This record gives sequence, structure tokens and C-alpha cells, in this order.
Amino acid sequence: KNEVEQSPQNLTAQEGEFITINCSYSVGISALHWLQQHPGGGIVSLFMLSSGKKKHGRLIATINIQEKHSSLHITASHPRDSAVYICAVPGGGSQGNLIFGKGTKLSVKP
Amino acid sequence: NAGVTQTPKFQVLKTGQSMTLQCAQDMNHEYMSWYRQDPGMGLRLIHYSVGAGITDQGEVPNGYNVSRSTTEDFPLRLLSAAPSQTSVYFCASTSRGSGTEAFFGQGTRLTVV
Repeated sequence: KNEVEQSPQNLTAQEGEFITINCSYSVGISALHWLQQHPGGGIVSLFMLSSGKKKHGRLIATINIQEKHSSLHITASHPRDSAVYICAVPGGGSQGNLIFGKGTKLSVKP
Repeated sequence: NAGVTQTPKFQVLKTGQSMTLQCAQDMNHEYMSWYRQDPGMGLRLIHYSVGAGITDQGEVPNGYNVSRSTTEDFPLRLLSAAPSQTSVYFCASTSRGSGTEAFFGQGTRLTVV
């Protein structure tokens, strides 16, 4: 079974700071998901990537398949970025389910 | 497309009561899953389905039942609620293949007293 580790668990930043959240996994995968969950809210997909880098607005996700590691970066952070960010990988086989990291709680102060 | 519709959003049950959490998707996804989210534990798989008529257990299936009579619907039944089932529940769907985006319902916050 794949083990997914995220760091840090909690992160407090000042508005405008550059944020990095890390994710590592133990078994090779075909794709990795980055998800966002606002307090009391649902879960939305930010990125799904299998290689290289993807960018959406101020968010950038990178993955190194050989090192089994991915990072989520937020440039020019804003208080509205405050949320829990979750890394997830496929559960294996052809089941469609995911294995999740425990999440990184980000708080951006104005 | 509505995506994944999950109801109810909040529910309080008494110990021993039963209830069904509803999940429906309109994207013709083959794969659907139920997860529970607990503090410090992350999301854990309860049951999943790879198509109509096919379901299987995940990591924490005890006390829960599922069925998949149609592609669209995947309800989760709590047979006899226990305080240990107090949690936030999410339904998710994705299409066949490991490199496809996952879509989540809005979540159900369940409290068992």
C-alpha cells in the first residue's frame, strides 16, 4: 500500500509570501493529485499531474517521479489561500480510489 | 453538469439509528468511492465501486453498507449508528484510468450522540 507523507502539517505565512508544501509517496504512481479544502467546505481538485510542472494562476505544482516527490507552490500568497491542501495518489489496481496525505493547514495572515 | 451531488450536508443521529447518505454523479463515471475524514487521520476509504452492480470494501468498511444499482447513484448506509461513526463523509467519482481527475461531493458532517 502506498504511504503518502505531507509536510509541513501546519503553515502560517504573511500575505505576499511564497509558500511551498511537500508530498512524498512510497510506491511509484501514474499521477498525483493536489486538492484544496476550505474550512467547513468541500474538496476541490487543483491539479493532477504525472510529470514535470503545471501552473494555474498563482499555484504551481511539480512532480519528480524518480524521487517520488511533489511540491505545491503558492506565489504572492493571499488570505483567501487559507485552506487545507491535500496530496493524493491512486490506490492501486483499477479501483479509482485514492490514498491521501493528512493535509497541510495553511493560514495566510493579512 | 452538476458534478457530484451529496446529501445531506449535516445530520445528527442517535446511537442505533440508521440512515442513508446519498451520492449521485452526472458525468457517467465508472468509479465511485466513499471516504470518511477524521482529525489527524486524513481521508480513509470506506467502500468503492468500479461500476454498476460491483462494490468492494475499503480500509474502514465496518458498520457501513453500499450498493450500486445504477452508474449514477452510490448510496452509503449506516446500519446502526455508533458514536465512532461521527465524522465528515465524502463521496467521490472518477472515470476509468488512473490519470483522471477526481470529483468530490460537498461532504456530510455526521454526529452520532
